[in-house]
Amino acid sequence: KQEVTQIPAALSVPEGENLVLNCSFTDSAIYNLQWFRQDPGKGLTSLLLIQSSQREQTSGRLNASLDKSSGRSTLYIAASQPGDSATYLCAVPSSGNTPLVFGKGTRLSVIA
Amino acid sequence: DTGVSQDPRHKITKRGQNVTFRCDPISEHNRLYWYRQTLGQGPEFLTYFQNEAQLEKSRLLSDRFSAERPKGSFSTLEIQRTEQGDSAMYLCASSMRTGFTDTQYFGPGTRLTVL
Repeated sequence: KQEVTQIPAALSVPEGENLVLNCSFTDSAIYNLQWFRQDPGKGLTSLLLIQSSQREQTSGRLNASLDKSSGRSTLYIAASQPGDSATYLCAVPSSGNTPLVFGKGTRLSVIA
Repeated sequence: DTGVSQDPRHKITKRGQNVTFRCDPISEHNRLYWYRQTLGQGPEFLTYFQNEAQLEKSRLLSDRFSAERPKGSFSTLEIQRTEQGDSAMYLCASSMRTGFTDTQYFGPGTRLTVL
């Protein structure tokens, strides 16, 4: 059974800092991994999807890496801004199938 | 707006009542998913459809829950005899699976409060 863990659970940083969010998963037989952002009381916004054949994916100030063999992914946020404050969720398909298994998320606060 | 939409956004009900939620996916997406999210947790899978066929149901989906996608477009999720433990955010997502890619796009969710 696929399990996803995200560390840290919460993070508070001053504006302008670069930061890394971590995600680990137990079953490395995945097709892809997805990072989402969730604002309080809102739905999920897809940030990045990394295919299993890729090692990195970039979008603006976001860079996600995937090490499938070790069951790890990181989301790097450069030059953080207060508008980046949200919960970041990592998700992988469950045992090769498509319903997603999510971590509990990392709650990020960027202080101006 | 061509994103996933959900209705209602908020629902407050008394224990024992039935509730129904609706999800309209992105047009032409063939897959539609329902997830449930409680406070401080990530979303948990409930069920999904490919076109009108319900392909998988989670053990979380007790017999009080039923979902339909009658014409392969919108979907409804009904909860009968609601319990306080059903209080959660119910999220809908849709996707168009191509090869091994299945990027899911989420709606804003329906927040259910059972009193």
